[in-house]
Amino acid sequence: QSVLTQPPSVSGAPGQRVTISCTGSSSNIGAGFDVHWYQQLPGRAPKLLISGNTNRPSGVPDRFSASKSGTSASLAIAGLQTEDEADYYCQAYDNNLSDSIFGGGTQLTVL
Amino acid sequence: EVQLEQSGAEVKKPGQPLKISCKASGYSFTNHWIGWVRQMPGKGLESMGIIYPRDSDTRYSPSFQGQVTMSVDKSLNTAYLQWNTLRASDTAIYYCARGVDTTMGEAFDSWGQGTLVTVSA
Repeated sequence: QSVLTQPPSVSGAPGQRVTISCTGSSSNIGAGFDVHWYQQLPGRAPKLLISGNTNRPSGVPDRFSASKSGTSASLAIAGLQTEDEADYYCQAYDNNLSDSIFGGGTQLTVL
Repeated sequence: EVQLEQSGAEVKKPGQPLKISCKASGYSFTNHWIGWVRQMPGKGLESMGIIYPRDSDTRYSPSFQGQVTMSVDKSLNTAYLQWNTLRASDTAIYYCARGVDTTMGEAFDSWGQGTLVTVSA
């Protein structure tokens, strides 16, 4: 079980909005460490989607947004498209582990 | 354009050694950490550790300390991940990624394509 907890799966219809949560603790997200989000399309390498809690790298559509509050963070995807079907991972540094850690990942299905 | 080109798939037997590579281009190799990430079959991402090419400062994730060795060759802009003795449980895809600093942390902004390592008798 990962120190950063994500729901195993979420789903939504095309055009809808979905959110993916990432729940941590006082030793990682709650300690003020940045949360980063990655998208991994089937059979592909991960891709940075959001860095530093809320920042979209160049080329990432503004349908993707993220927020952070307390010991949790969330990724929102608006206007779902079939090509958004992928696994999504959050990442943050953990003081107790002295290590950068990934959440367990969330599989997004576009119905 | 930042690129990380990883070496090809490997099939090895338990007990054998292995060294895989990650060649960087399109940026100053010595100015960014390189991280290694494991993905076991059907599983999630696991951070293995990071290495700073300028001085080879290396920080292993606790789960991988003593299990693997990270190194770099600055003259070749290449990072390496090696095992002295492979086990079947090392079967996985291994990714290298470039680290970029954020205000309170580090993200991986560019990734290699992954190297599939299969360890089987």
